[in-house]
Parts: sequence; structure tokens; C-alpha cells
Amino acid sequence: GEDVEQSLFLSVREGDSSVINCTYTDSSSTYLYWYKQEPGAGLQLLTYIFSNMDMKQDQRLTVLLNKKDKHLSLRIADTQTGDSAIYFCAESMGYGGSQGNLIFGKGTKLSVKP
Amino acid sequence: ETGVTQSPTHLIKTRGQQVTLRCSSQSGHNTVSWYQQALGQGPQFIFQYYREEENGRGNFPPRFSGLQFPNYSSELNVNALELDDSALYLCASSQFREGQETQYFGPGTRLLVL
Repeated sequence: GEDVEQSLFLSVREGDSSVINCTYTDSSSTYLYWYKQEPGAGLQLLTYIFSNMDMKQDQRLTVLLNKKDKHLSLRIADTQTGDSAIYFCAESMGYGGSQGNLIFGKGTKLSVKP
Repeated sequence: ETGVTQSPTHLIKTRGQQVTLRCSSQSGHNTVSWYQQALGQGPQFIFQYYREEENGRGNFPPRFSGLQFPNYSSELNVNALELDDSALYLCASSQFREGQETQYFGPGTRLLVL
């Protein structure tokens, strides 16, 4: 069945790099996403990666995809206190370019200590 | 800001009542998806509407129903409310363009069923 797993908590010091990991089960997923949710707010799209890519970099964010192991990671360089939030990994169950419905993990709560 | 708005922001209902939640899509988006996010969980897909027709449904009972209007705004209706329906309800609008579609989320409606 469809399942996305994430570790629940991560704590880092300001200025360090954060790495949030995710595993997914559906090898037919064409897109994988990272969303950020701050307290009391909706979801903010951070970045996404096509399943035929290994890596994508976007400013402080680096996404690594190991399709063989169905493992996705999000690295945040120079983590700031404003990065404290819950980060969700999601796989797309759509076809072609359609996102269809997203399957989300339970989220990783990132705490950044000054 | 994603341009997706939801109303109301908070709502309290009692068991057995009915509720209607509303979503205005980002300009130019013709697809809307609804998700339920229980406390401490990732969002769960309820259904998606494309050009006023249901375009996919998750594992939710028929008492969860929806509508999409010609201006692409949308409603989520829940009948016979149960305590477990207490959650944050998120809508996401999207537009399929250049072979890719990305969902942009609103801030959500927090529903409490007593």
C-alpha cells in the first residue's frame, strides 16, 4: 500500500545543516515534494523533484532522491530559527504531470536552537 | 501567500450537525483538492474537483461531499458530524501547465466537533 515514513523530530543548532529523511513505498510516484507547515498555518510548498532526477538544489535547499531505496532527503544549509516548523514529505499519485492526490508523511518537527 | 483563501478560519459544531467549508482558488487554477489533517498527522486526501466534476476520491465516507463552482471556488460539506471529524481542513488549488501541476494550499479551516 501507499505509505510515507518520516522521523518525527529533529533538533539542530542555528547555522548547522539540517537533514530530514523520508521513505516512500510507491515506485510509480513521478513527483516527490517537500512542504513546510508553521504553527497554525497551511502548507507551503518548498520544493519538488522529478523521479528521474537524483538531486535538485534551490538556494539553501538540497533534495536528494535514491529511487532504488525509495529514500528522499531534504538538506537545509545554514539553518535559521525561522526554519523551525514541521516538514512534510509527499508523493504524488497522479499520472504524467498531474499531481493527483498527495500522500503525506506524518511530518518531521524541526527545532532550531540559537 | 498562495492566493488560496478559506473560510471560516475556525468553527465549532456539535456531533450530528452539518458543516460547509469554503475555498477560493488562486486565480487561473481550475482544480481544487481537499485534505483533512488531524492533530499530529499529515494531511489525508479527501477528494479533488476539476472543472466542476469530482476527479478522484480518497478513503472518506459519502457524508463528505463537495462542489466546485464555475469560478472554480469550492465547498466541502460534511453531514452527520462525528467527534473524529475534528481536524484542520485544507484546500489546495492547482493548474496543469507545461506538463506539470503543483498544488498550492490555503491556510485551512480548523473544525472542532463537540
